[in-house]
Amino acid sequence: EAGVVQSPRYKIIEKKQPVAFWCNPISGHNTLYWYRQNLGQGPELLIRYENEEAVDDSQLPKDRFSAERLKGVDSTLKIQPAELGDSAVYLCASSFVGLAKQYFGPGTRLTVT
Amino acid sequence: SQQGEEDPQALSIQEGENATMNCSYKTSINNLQWYRQNSGRGLVHLILIRSNEREKHSGRLRVTLDTSKKSSSLLITASRAADTASYFCATDAVDSGAGSYQLTFGKGTKLSVIP
Repeated sequence: EAGVVQSPRYKIIEKKQPVAFWCNPISGHNTLYWYRQNLGQGPELLIRYENEEAVDDSQLPKDRFSAERLKGVDSTLKIQPAELGDSAVYLCASSFVGLAKQYFGPGTRLTVT
Repeated sequence: SQQGEEDPQALSIQEGENATMNCSYKTSINNLQWYRQNSGRGLVHLILIRSNEREKHSGRLRVTLDTSKKSSSLLITASRAADTASYFCATDAVDSGAGSYQLTFGKGTKLSVIP
């Protein structure tokens, strides 16, 4: 069974530039999550999807972050413009609806210089 | 914000010894999960314990949950070098009317198992 796929794995950009991350969840998983993990910390939820609907985006900094999950399958998280403080690992996870166990992708390590 | 707090922040043991990590949380939960993260990788689910359970086993893992103290422990027996990783507890509350879970993670315990 293929796991959660994320790309790119690494990204280095200058501040004020835009960046986008892509996630393809495990086939059949209706729910999709984006997390941000700062160095030495646990992941923090940014946005949670059920199918194509964002059911919780309260932690998403909406002035510069946006996300979409068209057709309820893969998802894109965008930052525009990026700031130095956005340097982190961005993790995508998915799960079956109604189940608490989440499956994580390898993450995208973003460095903003 | 972080709901759980793991203790200790770092733990170094010899191969073959047992490793115990603790997690405390602040609000009532439905489930508590433990995840492992190897350096530079994503998180891997280890075990889930429900709020009405007190202990659960999976292979070399034993998890306990004390809801009165809002705490959990993860015991890894007969540790191996491959167990070297960061371990996170995550708590959740089900959204009413929804089928997804908002997990809140602690800061993690960094375990080093020396061969």
